[in-house]
Amino acid sequence: KQEVTQIPAALSVPEGENLVLNCSFTDSAIYNLQWFRQDPGKGLTSLLLIQSSQREQTSGRLNASLDKSSGRSTLYIAASQPGDSATYLCALRRYGNKLVFGAGTILRVKS
Amino acid sequence: ETGVTQSPTHLIKTRGQQVTLRCSSQSGHNTVSWYQQALGQGPQFIFQYYREEENGRGNFPPRFSGLQFPNYSSELNVNALELDDSALYLCASSLERATYGYTFGSGTRLTVV
Repeated sequence: KQEVTQIPAALSVPEGENLVLNCSFTDSAIYNLQWFRQDPGKGLTSLLLIQSSQREQTSGRLNASLDKSSGRSTLYIAASQPGDSATYLCALRRYGNKLVFGAGTILRVKS
Repeated sequence: ETGVTQSPTHLIKTRGQQVTLRCSSQSGHNTVSWYQQALGQGPQFIFQYYREEENGRGNFPPRFSGLQFPNYSSELNVNALELDDSALYLCASSLERATYGYTFGSGTRLTVV
């Protein structure tokens, strides 16, 4: 079983919709969790970082939650825009020095 | 404050050759990590450097090696290139405890033919 799973793998929504991206993990012993955005062929842009002691973080139209007991994190995007179209990756940092990534959710927001 | 910069942006090499990729960390960051991202997958951890020494390694063979310099910049070297080494190579910098997360560069796209 994958250590970090992101569902759905791809999502297409009309502009203006609110949407939720899911990230699940098999081991609740994490240091923090970071959500990234990646445009095609580009590097990663950090969106939100949640420490293990926190339940959620917000930045603008984005809200990320963390539930360690159930091994889940969600990224909520309000009032989606075509510019939000990208791949969204969640990454765990366990008590070590590496990030473990999911395979990502490809989001397309249609105008 | 400058972000993480990587060079070159694109590279084409022949199987069996050697390649060196470069990374300058974000100002104030002393730790550099390297990741390999194959098409359609999440990045995979190669290794991390702190105080010019390797500080953790993922499941990559010894032909993947690296260096960190006193100014915290870093190089990733790959010997005896294989077709499967074709990927986006990402560099990330952080403070040593990464309490505030990681900052990634734009990556180097390596194509092995």
